[in-house]
Amino acid sequence: KQEVTQIPAALSVPEGENLVLNCSFTDSAIYNLQWFRQDPGKGLTSLLLIQSSQREQTSGRLNASLDKSSGRSTLYIAASQPGDSATYLCAVRNDKPQGAQKLVFGQGTRLTINP
Amino acid sequence: NAGVTQTPKFQVLKTGQSMTLQCAQDMNHEYMSWYRQDPGMGLRLIHYSVGAGITDQGEVPNGYNVSRSTTEDFPLRLLSAAPSQTSVYFCASSTQGFNEQYFGPGTRLTVT
Repeated sequence: KQEVTQIPAALSVPEGENLVLNCSFTDSAIYNLQWFRQDPGKGLTSLLLIQSSQREQTSGRLNASLDKSSGRSTLYIAASQPGDSATYLCAVRNDKPQGAQKLVFGQGTRLTINP
Repeated sequence: NAGVTQTPKFQVLKTGQSMTLQCAQDMNHEYMSWYRQDPGMGLRLIHYSVGAGITDQGEVPNGYNVSRSTTEDFPLRLLSAAPSQTSVYFCASSTQGFNEQYFGPGTRLTVT
């Protein structure tokens, strides 16, 4: 059974710092991995999707990497801003395309950027 | 595009009542699903659909019913609400294949 772990559970850093959020998964036979952002009381906003054949994806100040063999992904946030404060969730999918497309989520990292 | 929409945003039910959580998407996505989010448990899949007329159970389907009569809509029915169903419910959609999933804003349900 796939399990996804995100460490740390919470992180507080001063504005302007570069930071890395970690995600690990137990079954390396994944099809893709998706990073989401969740603001308090809100829904999930998709940030980046990495297919299993890819090593990384970039969007603006965000860069996500994937090392499938070691069961790890990182989300790098450059030049952090107070508006980046949110909970960041990673989710993996390891079923067939015709199947449930079920995402297995980590518990999230609650990020606070201090002005 | 409105994306994935959910109604209501908040709901309070008494034990034993029934209700339907609505989900709609305007992206012509074949795949739709329902998750619940609970503290310490993360998000868990309740039911999913790979197209109109086709639904199946996810990880935690008990106490919930779904149907999919159109591509756009995927309602979730609580048959007889229980306090254990107090949660935040999210609907998601995507195209078939290895694609990004899009989530709605959620419905916060409290069962007393």
